[in-house]
Amino acid sequence: DIQMTQSPSSLSASIGDRVTITCRASQSISTYLNWYQQIPGKAPKLLIYVASTLQSGVPSRFSGSGSGTDFTLTINSLEPEDFATYYCHQTYSTPYTFGQGTKLEIK
Amino acid sequence: EVQLVESGGVVAQPGESLRLSCAASGFTFDDSTMHWVRQAPGKGLQWVSLISWDGNRAYYADSVKGRFTISRDNSKYSLYLQMNSLRTEDTAFYYCAKGTFRLEPAGRDFDYWGQGTLVTVSS
Repeated sequence: DIQMTQSPSSLSASIGDRVTITCRASQSISTYLNWYQQIPGKAPKLLIYVASTLQSGVPSRFSGSGSGTDFTLTINSLEPEDFATYYCHQTYSTPYTFGQGTKLEIK
Repeated sequence: EVQLVESGGVVAQPGESLRLSCAASGFTFDDSTMHWVRQAPGKGLQWVSLISWDGNRAYYADSVKGRFTISRDNSKYSLYLQMNSLRTEDTAFYYCAKGTFRLEPAGRDFDYWGQGTLVTVSS
């Protein structure tokens, strides 16, 4: 199974800050990497697919990069609604594994 | 508007069986791979199973293989998860999700999710 490791596990930041979350795969997954946002009590929401393509309707302050084993999610100029948990997700091969999540909290 | 609505979550005892359903609308269901993903309370996401658009191929996480069966009825725009021999560690919110395959660059993602149904396994 492909292991997905996110860092950090939690992060405190302020409104207007720029934050970066990293995700590392235990083997190469090309660009079969997605990012989801989950607000407590809600379903996950797709933010970015194929590592760097923004899902329709997602604000442009979100961006993704990487290929192979190393990926990043960057959020520029944090807004109040961005404080949530973020998951990376590989769909290169089954089982389609998720990272453990990064909880973004308000400082 | 794409909608996925799960149902069937209840409190069950270890060893019992349960069937979850997911009603889909707003997209061409029989064109889409469908998935079940679960999340134990306060924990992360775990992919459970997928079924191909025609129902001919199914894949499972090792933790549920041999106990859970995914199926679909394209005429009813419905997805199912038959859960047998339930264990306490199966306690979770169960989400159905629509899969999408992307070209150039290639990828697969889950672009729509239901709101989830809670399965609690407890004696």
